[in-house]
Amino acid sequence: QKEVEQNSGPLSVPEGAIASLNCTYSDRVSQSFFWYRQYSGKSPELIMSIYSNGDKEDGRFTAQLNKASQYVSLLIRDSQPSDSATYLCAVNSGGYQKVTFGTGTKLQVIP
Amino acid sequence: NAGVTQTPKFQVLKTGQSMTLQCAQDMNHNSMYWYRQDPGMGLRLIYYSASEGTTDKGEVPNGYNVSRLNKREFSLRLESAAPSQTSVYFCASAMDNLNTEAFFGQGTRLTVV
Repeated sequence: QKEVEQNSGPLSVPEGAIASLNCTYSDRVSQSFFWYRQYSGKSPELIMSIYSNGDKEDGRFTAQLNKASQYVSLLIRDSQPSDSATYLCAVNSGGYQKVTFGTGTKLQVIP
Repeated sequence: NAGVTQTPKFQVLKTGQSMTLQCAQDMNHNSMYWYRQDPGMGLRLIYYSASEGTTDKGEVPNGYNVSRLNKREFSLRLESAAPSQTSVYFCASAMDNLNTEAFFGQGTRLTVV
C-alpha cells in the first residue's frame, strides 16, 4: 500500500462546479497535511495546509482533514479553467524530511 | 525577490558523465531539499539539509551527493550519470524543517542517454 494515495484522474468538472480531490494516507502519526498545485511543466506551489481535524477555508479552497479515517480532501468551489492542474497531496509524519507526496490528481475544468 | 533559483533548466548527459545542479534561495530559509519527480512516482526526496552545515539522505540518495555551500546554496551532484537518473529535479527550501511551507525552484529536466 502506498503511503499517500490519490486517484490520478483526470477529474473533469464544468466551469463553476465544485471539484473534490481526495487523498488517503497510511501513517497514523502524520501531523500535517499539504495540498500543492502543479501546472504542467511547472513547479509545485502550496495552496493549503491543514494540521487539525475539520475544515479550513481559504477563498475558493477548503481543505478537510479526518485523522480517524486517515483522509484529507480539497474542495475547489466555483472551479475555473485556470484551476486545471495536477494537485499533489503531501503528508508530514515528523519533520519536513518525512513529507511524503502522493502522485497527484489531474483536474480539468471544462469551460 | 527571486525565491528559489535552479540551474540549468534542461540538460542532456551521456551515461557516465558527471554534473552538478545548482540551487540558491534568497528567502533566508534554513532548510533546503532536493527532489526528483518521475511519472507515476510523485516527488521523492533525494537529500536534504535541515540547516547550514548539515546534510542527510532522503528516500532515494544512491548515485547522488550534495553540498550545502552556505545558507543560500545547496547543490546536487551526479558523479556518474545513469539512464535511471533521467527525471525532473526540484530544489526546495523552507524556513525550518518542521511543518512549514516549502517553496520550489522551477525544476531541471535531465535526460541521460
